[in-house]
Amino acid sequence: SQKIEQNSEALNIQEGKTATLTCNYTNYSPAYLQWYRQDPGRGPVFLLLIRENEKEKRKERLKVTFDTTLKQSLFHITASQPADSATYLCALWGGSQGNLIFGKGTKLSVKP
Amino acid sequence: GAVVSQHPSRVICKSGTSVKIECRSLDFQATTMFWYRQFPKQSLMLMATSNEGSKATYEQGVEKDKFLINHASLTLSTLTVTSAHPEDSSFYICSASLTSPVSQYFGPGTRLLVL
Repeated sequence: SQKIEQNSEALNIQEGKTATLTCNYTNYSPAYLQWYRQDPGRGPVFLLLIRENEKEKRKERLKVTFDTTLKQSLFHITASQPADSATYLCALWGGSQGNLIFGKGTKLSVKP
Repeated sequence: GAVVSQHPSRVICKSGTSVKIECRSLDFQATTMFWYRQFPKQSLMLMATSNEGSKATYEQGVEKDKFLINHASLTLSTLTVTSAHPEDSSFYICSASLTSPVSQYFGPGTRLLVL
């Protein structure tokens, strides 16, 4: 069956360091992979989209990589700040279902 | 741009009552609206997809008679949880897409607590 795994339920890092979050999937051939930020009690906010034929995408302090051979995406936040503390969701579009499939998310805590 | 609102933001109701949640696209006309449910520490799960003026398409395992979706206009969709029970307590989130369903704009969510 199709599966998305965000390996860490929680990640704690020090301010200024780079946070790296992982998203792995099985039994999918996604055309797009997206990352969202979700704050407690709020809906997801779109951050970045990367297509299957793209290796890397950047936006300010954010960087996403997409390796369709490894079936993995890495999400990096450089120079992390306490305000980056939130849950980050990976979502795939494509495969046998024509809709967005979400991972459970990784809760990032950036300590000052 | 591309703002989606939901109302109410939270609701507490008694078991057996019905609850209506509204989802509005404020500054664009949405071709498609989506309803998701999220339990604590779980992923968003798609419940149904709706297009204006047509019947919603429900995901497997979602009871269409229990979760009534009305998409009356290009800017408004409603989800009614009929005869709510405590197990329906969850965080309900809607989203709307402008052109492609790949790009969805999410609402702030509605917390439902059924006592």
